[in-house]
Parts: sequence; structure tokens; C-alpha cells
Amino acid sequence: GAVVSQHPSRVICKSGTSVKIECRSLDFQATTMFWYRQFPKKSLMLMATSNEGSKATYEQGVEKDKFLINHASLTLSTLTVTSAHPEDSSFYICSVPGQGNTIYFGEGSWLTVV
Amino acid sequence: GENVEQHPSTLSVQEGDSAVIKCTYSDSASNYFPWYKQELGKGPQLIIDIRSNVGEKKDQRIAVTLNKTAKHFSLHITETQPEDSAVYFCAASFSGNTPLVFGKGTRLSVIA
Repeated sequence: GAVVSQHPSRVICKSGTSVKIECRSLDFQATTMFWYRQFPKKSLMLMATSNEGSKATYEQGVEKDKFLINHASLTLSTLTVTSAHPEDSSFYICSVPGQGNTIYFGEGSWLTVV
Repeated sequence: GENVEQHPSTLSVQEGDSAVIKCTYSDSASNYFPWYKQELGKGPQLIIDIRSNVGEKKDQRIAVTLNKTAKHFSLHITETQPEDSAVYFCAASFSGNTPLVFGKGTRLSVIA
């Protein structure tokens, strides 16, 4: 069964609005989760490391005020895309370290900004 | 930081043949090397992984080999089937609590 649950799987929003994506670890408590972004036919690019109870660590070039990350509990991290623009349209995927430090991915969330 | 190179970018094989995908990494401190299969519109699915204290690991038709000295690892799929068609990504990290660095992916097509 799924180890990581991501919601919503697809979302369409208007330019200027904000969208929240949830990532839940179903089988493990996770002090750390990772958020990736993937453009069509491209590889996964790390956006940020979500840390439970503290601030997220963002990769170079990722705007922390635009991509808000909250890791409120050991099983939930959220990514909020604020003031979305069409160029933010992408596939967003979270991952969670599991047993033996094996890393599991969610099913991803397709964001389309119109 | 870590850099992972993956080859080939595309691979076509006949059903029943073997497929091999190769990756190299740059950071000798990396010790965890997973392989993921990604189907269109879905998240990556872990298919096999290897840690630096092991040279080879096999799971049915899938095997991974690791050469720490040369800093490269490979995915081997035997007796390929059409359902093996997907994009495969290799990745490397220092441990499970550090983020994975991915290769650029290999689009595998198995022709029936």
C-alpha cells in the first residue's frame, strides 16, 4: 500500500491565488520531508527540505516567500504556492524517509495555473 | 555537491531482451543509491536500492550493481516486458535523511 499520500492529485487555480498541497506520511513519523518539482520530460529538482518544528531549508533559486512550507507534525508537511502564476504550473512531489532510510515518494500533484 | 549522470537518455529493447542503465556520481561520501520507475503522470516508484556496503543486489528480474571505486552503479532488467516501459531514474544521497540527487532519467521502451 501507499507509504506517502499526497493531496490533491490535480488542481487548477487562477493566477494570483494560492494553492496548498499536502503530503502525509502514512507509515512513518518523519522529522524530514523533501519537496521536488518536475517539469514535463525532465528530472526531479529538489525545492526544499521540510523540517518538523522548524523552518524549511530551501534550495538556491527557490523563493521561500512564494513556496511556503509548513511541517506541522511528524506525519504532515504542506507546500503552499502563493500568488500563483502560469509559470508555476508543474508536477510537485514530496518524499519521505522510511524504514532503513529508504526514501518513498508520493503520487505527486499536478498544478495548472490559468 | 553531488552530481549524478545517467545514460542513456532513451533506450529501446525488444521484449525478452535485457536493458542496462548506467549512472555515475561525484561525491564519494554518497552511500545510498536507489532506482525509481516513473510512469506518465505518476510519482516515482522505488524499484530497488543499494547501499555502499553491498556490491550487487537482485530482486527477480531487476538487479543493481555498485562500483564504489569507480563511483558508478547500474540497473539491469532481464526478460523485459512491455509493462517495463517507463522512465527510470537513478539517484544518490549520503543517507536517507538527506535529499536525493537524481539523474536525468532514461526513457525505456520495450517493443513487443
